[in-house]
Amino acid sequence: TQLLEQSPQFLSIQEGENLTVYCNSSSVFSSLQWYRQEPGEGPVLLVTVVTGGEVKKLKRLTFQFGDARKDSSLHITAAQPGDTGLYLCAGEPGGGADGLTFGKGTHLIIQP
Amino acid sequence: DVKVTQSSRYLVKRTGEKVFLECVQDMDHENMFWYRQDPGLGLRLIYFSYDVKMKEKGDIPEGYSVSREKKERFSLILESASTNQTSMYLCASSSIAGALFSIQYFGAGTRLSVL
Repeated sequence: TQLLEQSPQFLSIQEGENLTVYCNSSSVFSSLQWYRQEPGEGPVLLVTVVTGGEVKKLKRLTFQFGDARKDSSLHITAAQPGDTGLYLCAGEPGGGADGLTFGKGTHLIIQP
Repeated sequence: DVKVTQSSRYLVKRTGEKVFLECVQDMDHENMFWYRQDPGLGLRLIYFSYDVKMKEKGDIPEGYSVSREKKERFSLILESASTNQTSMYLCASSSIAGALFSIQYFGAGTRLSVL
């Protein structure tokens, strides 16, 4: 089983600060996805990165896939209370029907 | 919008009961998945299916079975519920986007308590 180590597990910061969440593995993934989950709901896909070194931006969120496709990061600029939630990274071992391997998640709290 | 619907948001069952968790998707996706989510353990894959009547074991299949009689419906079955199966259960379905990666869409989850 391929493992994804996600850090930090918990993060509480003030509104306006920047933060980075990391997702690391010793295994190569064909793609890596970031999800956000709110209490009582299922995860919702934010972005998928496929190519080594790829950088994708989603408003104040920047996602990067490592060159070797073993790690990824999520950077949030000027965090806002609406960013509060559980952030999950998930790797896909091979394209197609297989299930995803999830990290344990980062609980992010942005205090006003 | 893609919709994955889980039949119950909350369930309370007794030890030894047979439990059915139902999931329906409306996007004609071939692939469907069942995960459980526990604090400190994240999401773990129980079973998945890539076609009608097909099923594959995930990482933690013990104590569970599944049924996929129709493309849109994937059921998770707890033959004899135990307290260690108390958890949040998430169903997902996926499509292949350009054959490079799949996008999984999740239901809202069923929080099961086994007493």
